Amino acid sequence: GESVGLHLPTLSVQEGDNSIINCAYSNSASDYFIWYKQESGKGPQFIIDIRSNMDKRQGQRVTVLLNKTVKHLSLQIAATQPGDSAVYFCAENPSGTYKYIFGTGTRLKVLA
Amino acid sequence: DGGITQSPKYLFRKEGQNVTLSCEQNLNHDAMYWYRQDPGQGLRLIYYSQIVNDFQKGDIAEGYSVSREKKESFPLTVTSAQKNPTAFYLCASSSGALRPQHFGDGTRLSIL
Repeated sequence: GESVGLHLPTLSVQEGDNSIINCAYSNSASDYFIWYKQESGKGPQFIIDIRSNMDKRQGQRVTVLLNKTVKHLSLQIAATQPGDSAVYFCAENPSGTYKYIFGTGTRLKVLA
Repeated sequence: DGGITQSPKYLFRKEGQNVTLSCEQNLNHDAMYWYRQDPGQGLRLIYYSQIVNDFQKGDIAEGYSVSREKKESFPLTVTSAQKNPTAFYLCASSSGALRPQHFGDGTRLSIL
């Protein structure tokens, strides 16, 4: 099976609870940020994005918060479901480049 | 449906052999990317292309080569010079900077 996600930090939450996944980004020049979800054996799937001129953005059951002062990004998932179990990672896009920098990821386990 | 198709899903390489991983997209995206994913690590950029007939080295280009003769295709060759090729390889595309990348479902390469 897919071994990506080995040795990753793990967040375990009860089904129905809210989840918060954190990410510290590295480049103060980054002005675009993305959260991805990756299930075993599959490619990353886009969840939500945010630009640096915002500090919060909401989607369906998900919210991204951006704190540029401390270079911190978080993903909040409301009413976590079993289907949310996956590895989540953030990506940053430094201004003026086509390159993205990816975090190592957090494994989310949803307990029934 | 629009998306990115990677093939094959699994690939085995013998010592001294070059192998080519296929990536095709029908999203009409200008930019395409190749990443390598190892357990417990973030995605690392191998090569990227902003436009047809042009590509740039990423952070770990040694032992790899690419071509971009068509907008929809960005094949990656893993050469015999790449001494540690065992990894999960992901192809992505985007419509430009400050835009999310869309990923294929990856190719897992192993050494025989």
